[in-house]
Order: sequence, then C-alpha cells, then structure tokens
Amino acid sequence: QQQVKQSPQSLIVQKGGIPIINCAYENTAFDYFPWYQQFPGKGPALLIAIRPDVSEKKEGRFTISFNKSAKQFSLHIMDSQPGDSATYFCAARGTSYGKLTFGQGTILTVHP
Amino acid sequence: EAGVVQSPRYKIIEKKQPVAFWCNPISGHNTLYWYRQNLGQGPELLIRYENEEAVDDSQLPKDRFSAERLKGVDSTLKIQPAELGDSAVYLCASSQPYRGHEKLFFGSGTQLSVL
Repeated sequence: QQQVKQSPQSLIVQKGGIPIINCAYENTAFDYFPWYQQFPGKGPALLIAIRPDVSEKKEGRFTISFNKSAKQFSLHIMDSQPGDSATYFCAARGTSYGKLTFGQGTILTVHP
Repeated sequence: EAGVVQSPRYKIIEKKQPVAFWCNPISGHNTLYWYRQNLGQGPELLIRYENEEAVDDSQLPKDRFSAERLKGVDSTLKIQPAELGDSAVYLCASSQPYRGHEKLFFGSGTQLSVL
C-alpha cells in the first residue's frame, strides 16, 4: 500500500513535444506529491509539487495534473527542450514528514 | 548558498570490509535523511534525523548499518560488514519544513561498489 507506480520507464520525444509521465498510488493517507528531476551523477532536485486539494499546478513549462478519485497524478512538460533530458521521479508523502515514497523513475530523452 | 555536501563521491571495497559515508547538510536545516538508490530505481529512505534524534530508522538494516548525527549537524552512515547487495548510491538530504510543504535538498551521493 506504500507503493507509488510510475510509467513509462523511458520516454523519447522531439524538441517541442509534450512528454507526459504518470504515477498511481494506493495509500489515501498520502498528502503531498512532489516530482523530482535527476541528472546523471547528481542527486534528485525538486521540480514541482502538489497537494490533493487542487487538481492542477503549473510552474513555468511544468504542470502537475492530479486526480484524487483515481489516485493518479501526472507530469506534463510543455515545449520540451534537450536540457530537460533527465530521469524524473514522482513521489508521495504519508503522514510522517520526510518519508517520501518514490516511483521507479522515467528516463526522458528530448531529441534536438 | 552551499548545498548538501557528501563524501566520498565514489567508494570501491571488497565484501566484508567496512565503509563510511559523510554528509554535511545545508546550514540551518534541522532534518537530515539518508536514502539509498539502487540502479534504475527511486531513492528509498534509510533513516531520518530531527536534530540529533533518529526519528525514523525503520528501514535501516540495523545488523550491519549504523548512523550518527553528532551535534545535530554532520552525519555519518556506516556499513560493517558490506555485502555485494549494498552496491548502490547513498544519498544524503536535508530540509526545513515550510507551510506544510517540504523541499528536500539532496547531495550528489556516494556511489558504493562492493566487489
């Protein structure tokens, strides 16, 4: 029940495309859903996050869509750029601060 | 502002040897975490500290892993003895809660290879 399932494992798009990464969870106690971006050799860095009281959050070219009833959330990257090529992790936090449960990750490649 | 600093960046050891990792969190961050990231997977929490106190170590394999955070600042994570399955990237992170959200700042990690 603590799992966060992420798909797809990998994704290739052309520059300007809109990659979409999906995550699903089971635990209804999760109350905070961040997305992290990780470049090779670096630690993950927070990209954008949402709480379940809103259905969408947008920051720059990154948008989270949240469907509480379906227990799913997704990351959309508008006008993707080669510099967006990285591994993206969704995560969810339970009642305990800091205990993030991460998805398996999606390797995104944006071709020029 | 300096980020989370970890050392060493890489460590190669033979199985049954001990190994230690060091982390210096962002100044002023009271919460410190150690995560383990296996190849092709997301990070998994090993232990979380609030100042000097380990408040969540339920996922730390205590038969071989130990951690400490003296004076509520730097932290070390130790494995003794190491096993082949311990090969992974060990990430340290720190945070300061703000308005119900929590932004974790990760270091670049220590990549451990156990031969």
